[in-house]
Amino acid sequence: SQTIHQWPATLVQPVGSPLSLECTVEGTSNPNLYWYRQAAGRGLQLLFYSVGIGQISSEVPQNLSASRPQDRQFILSSKKLLLSDSGFYLCAWARVGGYTFGSGTRLTVV
Amino acid sequence: QQPVQSPQAVILREGEDAVINCSSSKALYSVHWYRQKHGEAPVFLMILLKGGEQKGHDKISASFNEKKQQSSLYLTASQLSYSGTYFCGTEMKGSGGSNYKLTFGKGTLLTVNP
Repeated sequence: SQTIHQWPATLVQPVGSPLSLECTVEGTSNPNLYWYRQAAGRGLQLLFYSVGIGQISSEVPQNLSASRPQDRQFILSSKKLLLSDSGFYLCAWARVGGYTFGSGTRLTVV
Repeated sequence: QQPVQSPQAVILREGEDAVINCSSSKALYSVHWYRQKHGEAPVFLMILLKGGEQKGHDKISASFNEKKQQSSLYLTASQLSYSGTYFCGTEMKGSGGSNYKLTFGKGTLLTVNP
């Protein structure tokens, strides 16, 4: 079956600490993968997308980076978190006919 | 390039109808609609690919006016389960193929009360 996994579900990190969020997809090959961020009460902002291994497109300049080390793995990282990095991070997979989102990671930077 | 949704919020009583609009300043390749419950990930509702296309299931349907670069989501005889935030996502023409990159509107908060 085709599924998308995202972890961790919640994360509380101090300012200046590193970040690594992981997203994996099962049951498909060469998927288009996306990282979105949703600030409290706000819309979905596209951060990065990837159409293949090692191919990353950045949508907004920021304190974050993304990597695609394997076909079905997409990682969101930061070397030093800022308070403004807090939010709900969603990984998405473009399936035929629509996106499927992971369950999300709620990140609070303190 | 972010699509504009209206209204920002709507409150209904169970059984009432609602329309949520999504408009773009750019020519569109496709329009997606998603619903997000509080604290959860968005869930795909439907995609519209052709100008004039209308789709629907149950009592939720949508239309796509390619010429006007607009889409509307119609919720009829609303149920309590319809409550949530509705997002439209748009893909621009020439962006490289279907499902290449979606830009989402800010969302419409729909509240259905008993």
